[in-house]
Amino acid sequence: GAGVSQSPRYKVAKRGQDVALRCDPISGHVSLFWYQQALGQGPEFLTYFQNEAQLDKSGLPSDRFFAERPEGSVSTLKIQRTQQEDSAVYLCASSSGRVPRTSGYEQYFGPGTRLTVT
Amino acid sequence: AQTVTQSQPEMSVQEAETVTLSCTYDTSESDYYLFWYKQPPSRQMILVIRQEAYKQQNATENRFSVNFQKAAKSFSLKISDSQLGDAAMYFCAYRRGGAQKLVFGQGTRLTINP
Repeated sequence: GAGVSQSPRYKVAKRGQDVALRCDPISGHVSLFWYQQALGQGPEFLTYFQNEAQLDKSGLPSDRFFAERPEGSVSTLKIQRTQQEDSAVYLCASSSGRVPRTSGYEQYFGPGTRLTVT
Repeated sequence: AQTVTQSQPEMSVQEAETVTLSCTYDTSESDYYLFWYKQPPSRQMILVIRQEAYKQQNATENRFSVNFQKAAKSFSLKISDSQLGDAAMYFCAYRRGGAQKLVFGQGTRLTINP
């Protein structure tokens, strides 16, 4: 089946604009993650959903960042009043959510959305 | 908090040779998983190999193998018979057992010289 898809692949926003980034996880995957990857850095965790429940949002950098997954499938990451420091690649990942011990329950990543705030 | 450190920002290797990428981590947990991910220019993260902390045997996947030294908190990746398609950013990552999120290192850019 299809992998994780994200749209748009590229987004340019003027400072102060609101943006919405979409993630379509692998069908049937229970868990969904958002990560932020600054240029030349490793990804950093933003938030995690299990089905429609947002179980961990400890990585969201400010209250301008908001994520939702209302029906337990597609997720949207919204950034309000964008700032230049929000420029980064936003990665979405999904996993089956089942934890047979031998699997370590792999996260499958999408291609990311590169956000540039000018 | 758990941290992952990759001390080699860049590495290069001749095609068909072997290269080792270093990773150290800091945790007080006994139950955790370690991963190496590859990120080509297309940006899509691909899982290369994973290691469960409770397993003493080092994981291997074809040309990729790890040297897991639990006491030293070291998790290096060895790539044998390097191929041009191996060129990418490589990230070491940690996940605590029972937790969800991955903690990534800063990455190592691997160049393969033909």
